[in-house]
Amino acid sequence: AQSVTQPDIHITVSEGASLELRCNYSYGATPYLFWYVQSPGQGLQLLLKYFSGDTLVQGIKGFEAEFKRSQSSFNLRKPSVHWSDAAEYFCAVLLYNFNKFYFGSGTKLNVKP
Amino acid sequence: GAGVSQSPRYKVAKRGQDVALRCDPISGHVSLFWYQQALGQGPEFLTYFQNEAQLDKSGLPSDRFFAERPEGSVSTLKIQRTQQEDSAVYLCASSLATGGYEQYFGPGTRLTVT
Repeated sequence: AQSVTQPDIHITVSEGASLELRCNYSYGATPYLFWYVQSPGQGLQLLLKYFSGDTLVQGIKGFEAEFKRSQSSFNLRKPSVHWSDAAEYFCAVLLYNFNKFYFGSGTKLNVKP
Repeated sequence: GAGVSQSPRYKVAKRGQDVALRCDPISGHVSLFWYQQALGQGPEFLTYFQNEAQLDKSGLPSDRFFAERPEGSVSTLKIQRTQQEDSAVYLCASSLATGGYEQYFGPGTRLTVT
């Protein structure tokens, strides 16, 4: 079945520590890949996207993600987390022949001072 | 500039009532999407408009759900005879081009059915 999996429901990291949020997808072809962040009461904000080309993509707020075709993964990373990064993060795929996003169930990030 | 706006931000409805949720997309955006986000879940696709044409409504959960975008800008999602399982945040997103390569999301409407 087609799916987007974010295996970590909650993650807690200390401020200044590095972060990696995992995302795996299960589709027949390489879809377009996205990471969004959602703060409480806010809409989804696009962090970064991958369509093709360089598999390491840079986004806003110091985030980056790496596409690994062999692992069907698109993990989000940040070298040093700030308290303001506490939010929920969603991985999403877009099947380019269809106009639909499929979202993972999200990872809630807590940041310890 | 102005982003996607949605109204109301919060709506409480008694079971069986009809509700209408409004989305104002970014001016000039061709594509408009509705999503339903249940508590603790990621958003799930409901329907897609390209201008005024509803090209995909495969995600609408039942015939109680109806969406329109008559002039190709503002869109309304209507839910008839609301049920408790309709309680969720309803998100609207718009995209400049056809298709949804870069979608800009509104803050959502939180619907609670009592």
